[in-house]
Amino acid sequence: DQQVKQNSPSLSVQEGRISILNCDYTNSMFDYFLWYKKYPAEGPTFLISISSIKDKNEDGRFTVFLNKSAKHLSLHIVPSQPGDSAVYFCAASLLTTGNQFYFGTGTSLTVIP
Amino acid sequence: DAGITQSPRYKITETGRQVTLMCHQTWSHSYMFWYRQDLGHGLRLIYYSAAADITDKGEVPDGYVVSRSKTENFPLTLESATRSQTSVYFCASSPGRDEKLFFGSGTQLSVL
Repeated sequence: DQQVKQNSPSLSVQEGRISILNCDYTNSMFDYFLWYKKYPAEGPTFLISISSIKDKNEDGRFTVFLNKSAKHLSLHIVPSQPGDSAVYFCAASLLTTGNQFYFGTGTSLTVIP
Repeated sequence: DAGITQSPRYKITETGRQVTLMCHQTWSHSYMFWYRQDLGHGLRLIYYSAAADITDKGEVPDGYVVSRSKTENFPLTLESATRSQTSVYFCASSPGRDEKLFFGSGTQLSVL
């Protein structure tokens, strides 16, 4: 049973516009969330994280929003650039299980020049 | 070079054969992990290790064996490969509990 879900397998956005990637989770005990970016034939690389005590975290063009009541997080990329084209995975963890991160199925973002 | 490396990059094997995927990290990270990536499932945790000689099962451990005799190495063995184990395998490490993961480049395994 998928505890972390990314319901949009793909997303296309024009260069310069905002990209919004969504992620839902089922376990309300999750307390740490991350986004990873993956290019073809490479391993995922860390992008940004947020703990459950916050509702927003920003790093340059990337902002992650957490809505605990809705069990939803989103990644905003502004402005989107062609180099952002990749697969994005969200992940969640539960402090009591240590480093067991549960990943979503990924969203493939294409930024059109 | 510092980092996390996986070998081989590609592997083709036959059902019933034993296969070992290697993972080596140079950061002395305490935690190491094995994930598999499959279409429609994302990344699923197979096994993880909190330190040398300490390993634990993840979501999908059946058919896999791990060991961690040294901090820097975390090999994954498929004792008797099955077609359902055809996947891309990623090794990862992290310096501590609840810290971000650093992934290797992956091993693409095909079981015929």
